[in-house]
Amino acid sequence: QVQLRQSGPGLVQPSQTLSLTCGISGDSVSSTSAAWSWIRQSPSRGLEWLGRTYFRYKWINDYALPVKSRISINADTGKNQFYLQLNSVTPEDTAVYYCARWTHHTGYFDQWGQGTLVTVSS
Amino acid sequence: QSILTQPPSLSAAPGQKVTISCYGSSSNIGTKYVSWYQQLPGTVPELLIYDNDQRPSGIPDRFSGSKSGTSATLGITGLQTGDEADYHCAAWDDSLGAVVFGGGTKLTVL
Repeated sequence: QVQLRQSGPGLVQPSQTLSLTCGISGDSVSSTSAAWSWIRQSPSRGLEWLGRTYFRYKWINDYALPVKSRISINADTGKNQFYLQLNSVTPEDTAVYYCARWTHHTGYFDQWGQGTLVTVSS
Repeated sequence: QSILTQPPSLSAAPGQKVTISCYGSSSNIGTKYVSWYQQLPGTVPELLIYDNDQRPSGIPDRFSGSKSGTSATLGITGLQTGDEADYHCAAWDDSLGAVVFGGGTKLTVL
C-alpha cells in the first residue's frame, strides 16, 4: 500500500520560499516506473501541475512554464522523500499543495498526499 | 484558463445518467492517455479512470471513460447523491512538456 505523507508550514511570508516535503512509504523515490509530482489547487486556477522529479539512470526534472524560474523539486533517496521549493512567493501562490505519484508508462496520478493549505501572507 | 476544457457545472437527478466532456488538442488528448479524478467535497482527488477507459479496482462500473480524437468523456450512470463531487480530466501535453488538467466540473445530484 503506497502512501504519501506531506509536511511543511502552512503560512509563508511574501517574497519568501515555500518548502514542502513528501514522504513515501510502500514505494521507492528511485522507482523507474514512477515520477513524483507536485500539484496545487486554488479556486481561481483549479488543479495546476507544478513539476516532477524521476529517476531514469539519472535524475530528471520537468517544471511547468509559469513557475519554471522559481521552482525546484528534489529527491532524497536515503529518506525516501522528495521536496518542493517555490521561491519569491506572492499571495497568488496561496493554494492547497499536493504531492502525487505519476505512473510513468501511460501516465496518471494513482496516489496523492493529504494536501497542505499554504497561505502566503504577512 | 485551463488547457483542457470541461463544463464548469452539471446537474442531474438521482438514477439518471450524465456525461462530462473534456476537450483538448492533438498535443494532449489527441495522442496521450486521459485520466479522470473524482474529488468529493473537502477531500483529495482520487483516480477514477485511467488509460482513457480503465477503472482502478474498487471503482464501480457505473463510471466509464471514452476518448475520440481530441476529446474525452466521463460517463456516470445510476447517479447517487454520493456522486456529488468535482470531476477533473488530465493528460500529458507533448508541446508543453507538462501534465495539463481540465478546469473541473462540479456535479450536483438534485
